[in-house]
Amino acid sequence: DAGVIQSPRHEVTEMGQEVTLRCKPISGHDYLFWYRQTMMRGLELLIYFNNNVPIDDSGMPEDRFSAKMPNASFSTLKIQPSEPRDSAVYFCASGYSGMNTEAFFGQGTRLTVV
Amino acid sequence: TQLLEQSPQFLSIQEGENLTVYCNSSSVFSSLQWYRQEPGEGPVLLVTVVTGGEVKKLKRLTFQFGDARKDSSLHITAAQPGDTGLYLCAGGGRKTQGGSEKLVFGKGTKLTVNP
Repeated sequence: DAGVIQSPRHEVTEMGQEVTLRCKPISGHDYLFWYRQTMMRGLELLIYFNNNVPIDDSGMPEDRFSAKMPNASFSTLKIQPSEPRDSAVYFCASGYSGMNTEAFFGQGTRLTVV
Repeated sequence: TQLLEQSPQFLSIQEGENLTVYCNSSSVFSSLQWYRQEPGEGPVLLVTVVTGGEVKKLKRLTFQFGDARKDSSLHITAAQPGDTGLYLCAGGGRKTQGGSEKLVFGKGTKLTVNP
């Protein structure tokens, strides 16, 4: 299995531009998580899906952030408009709803907003 | 809000030394996981502990879940430079028991093992 695949690995954009991050979860997993990691705040959960349905988006910073999961093999996280404070590493992770939810992470997208 | 506090935040030791890092919370978790993250990579799952008082061993790593399922520790014996990384604990629930499947992470302990 190829694991969780994220693209792009790096993104540099100007303030005000739209940014779209992409994720392909591990086949057969029914949970998908989007996290953001910064030195100051650590790894923060933004939103997670179960069977393609958003379950909890309470971690999404504000209306500029949106996430979709149109099918079991693809999810996007969009920031519009982007701001310098959005600069961080964004991780997608997938998991299987056995007894305990365990997360398998992608390599992340390092976003820099200038 | 469930919070996990990890200590110490930073730890630098010499090869061959033993160390323990801690993960504490005021909340009860159905399960607790430990991950290791290397620079430029995503966290990788090391172990999941479920039962209060449970102890799991993974080679030189020993993981313990507190009796009340609110805290956990990771002990490394005879640390090696390859153990260098960010160690993260994460607490989760079980949907079948009415818990949230949400995984909440601590901020991590950054471990450096010097040769």
